[in-house]
Amino acid sequence: GAVVSQHPSWVICKSGTSVKIECRSLDFQATTMFWYRQFPKQSLMLMATSNEGSKATYEQGVEKDKFLINHASLTLSTLTVTSAHPEDSSFYICSARDSSGAGETQYFGPGTRLLVL
Amino acid sequence: SQKIEQNSEALNIQEGKTATLTCNYTNYSPAYLQWYRQDPGRGPVFLLLIRENEKEKRKERLKVTFDTTLKQSLFHITASQPADSATYLCALDPSGQAGTALIFGKGTTLSVSS
Repeated sequence: GAVVSQHPSWVICKSGTSVKIECRSLDFQATTMFWYRQFPKQSLMLMATSNEGSKATYEQGVEKDKFLINHASLTLSTLTVTSAHPEDSSFYICSARDSSGAGETQYFGPGTRLLVL
Repeated sequence: SQKIEQNSEALNIQEGKTATLTCNYTNYSPAYLQWYRQDPGRGPVFLLLIRENEKEKRKERLKVTFDTTLKQSLFHITASQPADSATYLCALDPSGQAGTALIFGKGTTLSVSS
């Protein structure tokens, strides 16, 4: 099946620093990628939809200036958590749909665990 | 309001039994529904997709049903094994278009004891 990778798999940073997370579709092209956040024992919550070559669409309550998304190519989207604070500590997961096919199935990355001290 | 609910937060069964997980939704008319498996600290892994015109879909020991009248999907694991222990998520695409995100239920954590 289709593979989506994320890097890094986990990161610990100091409060106030910025963290960049990469999401890559390895064997297919994805016009659209999605970024989710998951807190312990909670479901995945959509943060934003990343569109190749255009601005991301953010869900209500997600600060676009804090969570910067760049989808520069058909296989790469990045999420940058700017000026991270402890409340940003969470599990961040990206997903992508294959642009070439019906695109019904979303393939997820392995996730990135962020801990802000 | 729109909701997608997985009724059981946790389900404990013995090895060899059939696990049945329930997903109900309200105020959606999805063209299809998907089931994913998530292990602790990992991203969800796609298992099965069932379309609105399909009553049942099977894959090895997995079976999914989709009742658009009841607005419900059932997910079955037959001959369950301890390795099946994980959290299972149902998800639907509210628009049916490739450019929109999935909406997830909270998941049911299945524990299979030997």
